[in-house]
Amino acid sequence: DAKTTQPPSMDCAEGRAANLPCNHSTISGNEYVYWYRQIHSQGPQYIIHGLKNNETNEMASLIITEDRKSSTLILPHATLRDTAVYYCIVRAYAGGTSYGKLTFGQGTILTVHP
Amino acid sequence: GAGVSQSPSNKVTEKGKDVELRCDPISGHTALYWYRQSLGQGLEFLIYFQGNSAPDKSGLPSDRFSAERTGGSVSTLTIQRTQQEDSAVYLCASSSRGGRYYQPQHFGDGTRLSIL
Repeated sequence: DAKTTQPPSMDCAEGRAANLPCNHSTISGNEYVYWYRQIHSQGPQYIIHGLKNNETNEMASLIITEDRKSSTLILPHATLRDTAVYYCIVRAYAGGTSYGKLTFGQGTILTVHP
Repeated sequence: GAGVSQSPSNKVTEKGKDVELRCDPISGHTALYWYRQSLGQGLEFLIYFQGNSAPDKSGLPSDRFSAERTGGSVSTLTIQRTQQEDSAVYLCASSSRGGRYYQPQHFGDGTRLSIL
């Protein structure tokens, strides 16, 4: 799976949009971009994933650049409960020897403050 | 609906003892994964089960670690002769398999294992 690069930490004011960047310059054509987050003492929580089109769900939006070398996770109205470590992961969509296992990096610590 | 359930949530044991960690995946999920997360570290893949296929054990750190999945549902991770370096949070995840494609994995809250 391709390697991802994320800033180690970010701050965001409550109620504002949080924009979390991720670089994945070596992504290949059969790899999706996944985002998970981990709140202290909990297991990782799936947020969203996408291949090349922008995606939106009830939690967040995912913007993927046209060349697919980077993406941004957007939390439109951050709350204090969104304080967590956010992981950007690139993963093959099918087959191969990776068996779909996830490779987590160090992620971005997002702190939402009042 | 019910998510992935893991038990116990916390386990403290003495070095050298055996431990068993349990995972109940989301109903209907055919794929099941075990990961571990050591203090301040990222998640480390351990083992993967998919239906009736042979498991991918490539991430197990030593032969003291083993896992089984009975009836395609509940899984047990066993660590024999525990060592202090086994202290970590052990996480289980499950996913459905839409044809050839992998679906998002959903995690339990883990078992925090402490070896004294």
